[in-house]
Amino acid sequence: QKEVEQDPGPLSVPEGAIVSLNCTYSNSAFQYFMWYRQYSRKGPELLMYTYSSGNKEDGRFTAQVDKSSKYISLFIRDSQPSDSATYLCAMRDLYSGAGSYQLTFGKGTKLSVIP
Amino acid sequence: DTEVTQTPKHLVMGMTNKKSLKCEQHMGHRAMYWYKQKAKKPPELMFVYSYEKLSINESVPSRFSPECPNSSLLNLHLHALQPEDSALYLCASSQDEARNEAFFGQGTRLTVV
Repeated sequence: QKEVEQDPGPLSVPEGAIVSLNCTYSNSAFQYFMWYRQYSRKGPELLMYTYSSGNKEDGRFTAQVDKSSKYISLFIRDSQPSDSATYLCAMRDLYSGAGSYQLTFGKGTKLSVIP
Repeated sequence: DTEVTQTPKHLVMGMTNKKSLKCEQHMGHRAMYWYKQKAKKPPELMFVYSYEKLSINESVPSRFSPECPNSSLLNLHLHALQPEDSALYLCASSQDEARNEAFFGQGTRLTVV
């Protein structure tokens, strides 16, 4: 079983729709959960990160973490064509000193928002 | 300035060539990273530099040689690469290894012929 599972899509929605992107994971040590957006041929851009369980909202984006189910979600409200990109979840455990850095990515979900 | 600048944007090199990828940031970040990303795959960590010292080498072949000349610059020296090394090479930086807010550059798209 892979550490982080993410449906690669592609996911196609009409403009204005609510988009739900999800990842599941198996490593219970993960404490920080991140969502990156990557446009074609560009580097990833950090959208949001959350610590432990709970919700975090930033404009049209809401990140949710359910550690008991090992499940994280990113919701995009009022989706726009400019949201068309690949969305990568990523997670890491608590930093424990030099050389312990570790960030595990999901495979990414390709999203297309159709005008 | 929240930019990580990578040069060149594109690079085509032969298997016997030596080339270098460059990465620069002026955010005062003390952790810098090299990632490799193949098409439709997530980024894979290659190296981590923390306070200009190599902190992590993820068992990367010696034909990839990182260098951190100062706190703002990170290089990746390439020698005798294979066609399967063709990928997008991403540089990232963060305030330090413990921070989650990492900023990525646009990447160098490398093709080995």
